[in-house]
Amino acid sequence: DTAVSQTPKYLVTQMGNDKSIKCEQNLGHDTMYWYKQDSKKFLKIMFSYNNKELIINETVPNRFSPKSPDKAHLNLHINSLELGDSAVYFCASSQDSIRPEAFFGQGTRLTVV
Amino acid sequence: RKEVEQDPGPFNVPEGATVAFNCTYSNSASQSFFWYRQDCRKEPKLLMSVYSSGNEDGRFTAQLNRASQYISLLIRDSKLSDSATYLCVVKSSNTGKLIFGQGTTLQVKP
Repeated sequence: DTAVSQTPKYLVTQMGNDKSIKCEQNLGHDTMYWYKQDSKKFLKIMFSYNNKELIINETVPNRFSPKSPDKAHLNLHINSLELGDSAVYFCASSQDSIRPEAFFGQGTRLTVV
Repeated sequence: RKEVEQDPGPFNVPEGATVAFNCTYSNSASQSFFWYRQDCRKEPKLLMSVYSSGNEDGRFTAQLNRASQYISLLIRDSKLSDSATYLCVVKSSNTGKLIFGQGTTLQVKP
């Protein structure tokens, strides 16, 4: 059983397109995240949701819009893709503030051409 | 100044060697500390939490010095399979965010 699963694993698309990445966790965790890992390997948080409520929204272009239909799902929609959006996007979840360690999905490698 | 700083390496060591990684963090309000491991083209995975009293898990020992805002990871008797990038992670009590260092790359050679 995959604890945190995200789809697709690879995504190649043209500039200007709109795309979505889906994430689901079956751990019963309250908090979910989106992270971006760029070519220099820095992992930076983009968004965090707790029980479907947005709690962290970093300085991310508003072309990126997260959606959490329930606490087990956190999807990421990206409008008008740009070359600089190329990166690996990781979804993660954590139980709560008492057990804050995060568990990651396998990542979505996005390439914008 | 980055919130979490690590020496990116790479550290190239022979099998059986002992290697130590260091990490410093800038926010004194940080409350939780972790080491993650990331293999090439894979997701980060929790290696161990870090406690003030220090903790050990097999060949791995983690230490935290709150006064110096310093975290360390010691790997004894290195194996080829230890080759990976080790990420120092700090959770801020202010924001609840997990902040990742840029990682230290370890390459264990036969």
